[in-house]
Amino acid sequence: SAVISQKPSRDICQRGTSLTIQCQVDSQVTMMFWYRQQPGQSLTLIATANQGSEATYESGFVIDKFPISRPNLTFSTLTVSNMSPEDSSIYLCSSLGAGVAFFGQGTRLTVV
Amino acid sequence: QKEVEQDPGPLSVPEGAIVSLNCTYSNSAFQYFMWYRQYSRKGPELLMYTYSSGNKEDGRFTAQVDKSSKYISLFIRDSQPSDSATYLCAMNMNTGFQKLVFGTGTRLLVSP
Repeated sequence: SAVISQKPSRDICQRGTSLTIQCQVDSQVTMMFWYRQQPGQSLTLIATANQGSEATYESGFVIDKFPISRPNLTFSTLTVSNMSPEDSSIYLCSSLGAGVAFFGQGTRLTVV
Repeated sequence: QKEVEQDPGPLSVPEGAIVSLNCTYSNSAFQYFMWYRQYSRKGPELLMYTYSSGNKEDGRFTAQVDKSSKYISLFIRDSQPSDSATYLCAMNMNTGFQKLVFGTGTRLLVSP
């Protein structure tokens, strides 16, 4: 299993600003994933991040709004840009090992 | 029709009860099935992982897969208040670079 550290664990941000969420895995992984979880909802995949290539975004999510970096095999960042109250959510990073996903503890974002 | 259907609950049971959580799915290509437990304000943690059809037991937890009916279950014996959480089913077609498909989650409340 992988241990994933994510920070910040929570933040309250002003609308129009940006927040960068960091995700560190304790082992090298090829693919990392970023999810959003609205209150009472399941997980929605934002994008898949491979080291050395551009992230692949799911329908409804765009790079300008959610730029992702993947500088090496253990680290990734997700930026939520030009935030609005609709971006208030939990953001989760994940890695996949042998078909099983492991998650960080999540970042609870509130936009005011 | 969603690929994975899961009753959102909440499911309320007394301590010591046997709990049955279920998911149905439509894609017969799914081979790997997972159950995650998510406590409030935490990331999902892997609880059980099964491949193809059959049962898998781990302590008080039993995961059951019936591929012919496209139906998976998680049984919790002797439920405890500490089992109160949201339980998410997830599935995958193979161990390669396929994203997981999640159910919406069932919220379980175990009262003392």
